[in-house]
Amino acid sequence: DTEVTQTPKHLVMGMTNKKSLKCEQHMGHRAMYWYKQKAKKPPELMFVYSYEKLSINESVPSRFSPECPNSSLLNLHLHALQPEDSALYLCASSHDDKGYEQYFGPGTRLTVT
Amino acid sequence: KQEVTQIPAALSVPEGENLVLNCSFTDSAIYNLQWFRQDPGKGLTSLLLIQSSQREQTSGRLNASLDKSSGRSTLYIAASQPGDSATYLCAVHRFYNTDKLIFGTGTRLQVFP
Repeated sequence: DTEVTQTPKHLVMGMTNKKSLKCEQHMGHRAMYWYKQKAKKPPELMFVYSYEKLSINESVPSRFSPECPNSSLLNLHLHALQPEDSALYLCASSHDDKGYEQYFGPGTRLTVT
Repeated sequence: KQEVTQIPAALSVPEGENLVLNCSFTDSAIYNLQWFRQDPGKGLTSLLLIQSSQREQTSGRLNASLDKSSGRSTLYIAASQPGDSATYLCAVHRFYNTDKLIFGTGTRLQVFP
C-alpha cells in the first residue's frame, strides 16, 4: 500500500483563524514533506522532516508551522494567513530523505478569505 | 541553480498515438529522476523513478529514459488512451544532505477519442 492520506480535502478560513492540515502514512517511511502548489504551477517544497526532525525549511513564513508528532503523522498549523496563501497543499513521504521515490497525498485545497 | 524544463507545455493527440514527453535539466549532478502525473485538482501519482545509475525504467505502457550527461529525460507513452489525459511532471532529486525534488514546468496532455 503506497497511500498517503490528507485531511481535510477542502478548507476555507479567514485571515484571523487558526487551522491545521493533517497528513498520515503507514508505509514505515521516515521522511515526510510539505509542498505548496498554485494553479498551473509545479509544486514547491516548503518543509522536510527526516526521522521526525525538521531538516529543511525553505524560508517559509512563520504563519506556517509544521509539526511531526510521530513517524506516521505530519501536521501543518496555519495562523494569520493571507489570501495569497490560497493553494493546494500537498504532503508526501519517502523511505528516507536520501533520494527515494516520493509518494504524494491527494492534497488539501485551502482558500483564505 | 537547477532548472527543469518540459517540452511541449501542452499536447493534444488522438487516441492510439505513441507519445514522447521531454524533460531537460541544467545541472547533470542529479541523484534520481521521477515522473508523475497529476489530474486536475488532485495530488501527484508517481509513475516511474529512474535511479542515477540507470538509463531507463519501464512500467506497462510507460518507458522513461535518462541521459545525465546531456541533461535529458524522456517519457514514452505507448498506444495513448483518453484516460492518460493529465499533466505530466518530471522532477529531479537533488541530494546533498537532504533530498529535494525540483519539479519541471509540466506537460498538459489531452488524448481525445
